[in-house]
Amino acid sequence: DTAVSQTPKYLVTQMGNDKSIKCEQNLGHDTMYWYKQDSKKFLKIMFSYNNKELIINETVPNRFSPKSPDKAHLNLHINSLELGDSAVYFCASSQVPSGSPETQYFGPGTRLLVL
Amino acid sequence: EDQVTQSPEALRLQEGESSSLNCSYTVSGLRGLFWYRQDPGKGPEFLFTLYSAGEEKEKERLKATLTKKESFLHITAPKPEDSATYLCAVRNDYKLSFGAGTTVTVRA
Repeated sequence: DTAVSQTPKYLVTQMGNDKSIKCEQNLGHDTMYWYKQDSKKFLKIMFSYNNKELIINETVPNRFSPKSPDKAHLNLHINSLELGDSAVYFCASSQVPSGSPETQYFGPGTRLLVL
Repeated sequence: EDQVTQSPEALRLQEGESSSLNCSYTVSGLRGLFWYRQDPGKGPEFLFTLYSAGEEKEKERLKATLTKKESFLHITAPKPEDSATYLCAVRNDYKLSFGAGTTVTVRA
């Protein structure tokens, strides 16, 4: 009964390869996010989708392309991987309530290591 | 640009030794301040949302408070299982911005 799940949990790959990370939420939320957590532990927003529509794109290189086939899924495809892409990538989801702050719930993370 | 600064970076406590973590922020149009707990190798786990200055929330040994410029997370009589990184985040109309976190280690 995992709320936000990601696959794979670990990803080790060579520079220049293309890889994808998948995210699914079963909370019925209409907004999903991708975050990157670097070695200094800062969590930074990359993208946000609301009902399959891109609403946030935070100056991320265009090698990163999110895709939302439906509002329960948000995938992240990364082309031509670089050493600096090594990080932990977190998916999150939220539902915008009326009159209350919106709370985001995070997945377990995908640890990407580019060699 | 919204800014979130957490202090201290690391905190080592003896079991039962109460302490506080600080989160100071500047944000254009606060739409909520959030506290998360992150265990090694896991995703952030939601703890609290605070919205108005003067608001307080409690959960077990944790209590979060909010002023117009900062928030405190008080840990009362901590236990080793409270060891984790505590992240503070603020939301404006657009996005959530996180601080770097405070790593708390509680020794038995």
